[in-house]
Amino acid sequence: QQQVKQSPQSLIVQKGGISIINCAYENTAFDYFPWYQQFPGKGPALLIAIRPDVSEKKEGRFTISFNKSAKQFSLHIMDSQPGDSATYFCAVKAAGNKLTFGGGTRVLVKP
Amino acid sequence: KAGVTQTPRYLIKTRGQQVTLSCSPISGHRSVSWYQQTPGQGLQFLFEYFSETQRNKGNFPGRFSGRQFSNSRSEMNVSTLELGDSALYLCASSLESTQETQYFGPGTRLLVL
Repeated sequence: QQQVKQSPQSLIVQKGGISIINCAYENTAFDYFPWYQQFPGKGPALLIAIRPDVSEKKEGRFTISFNKSAKQFSLHIMDSQPGDSATYFCAVKAAGNKLTFGGGTRVLVKP
Repeated sequence: KAGVTQTPRYLIKTRGQQVTLSCSPISGHRSVSWYQQTPGQGLQFLFEYFSETQRNKGNFPGRFSGRQFSNSRSEMNVSTLELGDSALYLCASSLESTQETQYFGPGTRLLVL
């Protein structure tokens, strides 16, 4: 049972372009929606997160858009830089501390 | 503050053996969660410990177990290793059991031959 579907699996974007990654979930009990960034050989690091009472959250070049009725949320990386090349994971959380992750998106930013 | 540390970083075992992985959370953090990361299954939740008690458990067989000590350090054990247990095992800590921000360690890469 795949609770979080993430797309695309991979993404190539030119430097300065916009990277967009989408996630869809099924369970309406989820109340916390984080995005994690993972570099090779490292553990995931929290990038940005949103709660369902907000439709958009921006932190620097990273923006989460949240559509509660559609049960979807997305990550936008503006002005993508080569240093943003990493794997990005969306996740969802209900009560407790269990994170359920999407399958991941490998982003490559070409200079 | 030092981040989450995991030891060992790399481990090679053979089928049928058992293994113990260790995690030291960020100082002051009392919740420790464990995740398994594989190319095929992605990141999957194993279990969470808070104040030495298991609070949540994922859908893994009983061969996977863990514990937490009074200083919040945690260990996970996998008995009777199978080839499919080869994975990156990640530990994450947070201040409280319901705190949302989890900080991940670098992981222990386990290879089962």
